[in-house]
Amino acid sequence: DAKTTQPNSMESNEEEPVHLPCNHSTISGTDYIHWYRQLPSQGPEYVIHGLTSNVNNRMASLAIAEDRKSSTLILHRATLRDAAVYYCILRDRNSGNTPLVFGKGTRLSVIA
Amino acid sequence: GAVVSQHPSWVICKSGTSVKIECRSLDFQATTMFWYRQFPKQSLMLMATSNEGSKATYEQGVEKDKFLINHASLTLSTLTVTSAHPEDSSFYICSAYPSGGPYEQYFGPGTRLTVT
Repeated sequence: DAKTTQPNSMESNEEEPVHLPCNHSTISGTDYIHWYRQLPSQGPEYVIHGLTSNVNNRMASLAIAEDRKSSTLILHRATLRDAAVYYCILRDRNSGNTPLVFGKGTRLSVIA
Repeated sequence: GAVVSQHPSWVICKSGTSVKIECRSLDFQATTMFWYRQFPKQSLMLMATSNEGSKATYEQGVEKDKFLINHASLTLSTLTVTSAHPEDSSFYICSAYPSGGPYEQYFGPGTRLTVT
């Protein structure tokens, strides 16, 4: 799977939007962009994924650059419960049931 | 979404003893499950892939005789840490894909192992 680059940490005020960036300049045409997050002392949980178009779900939005070399996870209104490590992971659509490979992710702190 | 459970959620054992961690998919079947290990302030590291009815596949550097994996059914995989040592103290997390989809990996809540 292609490599991603994320900032080590970010900070946000509660109830403000948060934009978490991810660079993936070597992404291939068949790579999906996945985001998972890991709350303290818990297993990771799925957040969102996309291929080319922007995606929205109840948790977040995913904005994908036109050249697909970067993407941004958007939390529209950060809460204290959103404090977690966020992982941006590329997976080829043909990779089947292969395990996710985690990088270092971005540690998001939310300030009340 | 699909649910993966782990038991126990935390365990303390003495050095030299063995400890078993269970991973169950509660509402789906999984022919493949994965075991990860996570040390404090570090990312998840894949240890092994557990395949139902066959031998597990271990990542480079993971001792298969120390970390015994058994995937006896489509909903249960177990990881046994044999002859545990303090350096085995870690957060162990399992995960699985539902057989036949959807295309999202589900993770258990993790098991905190402390070896004294």
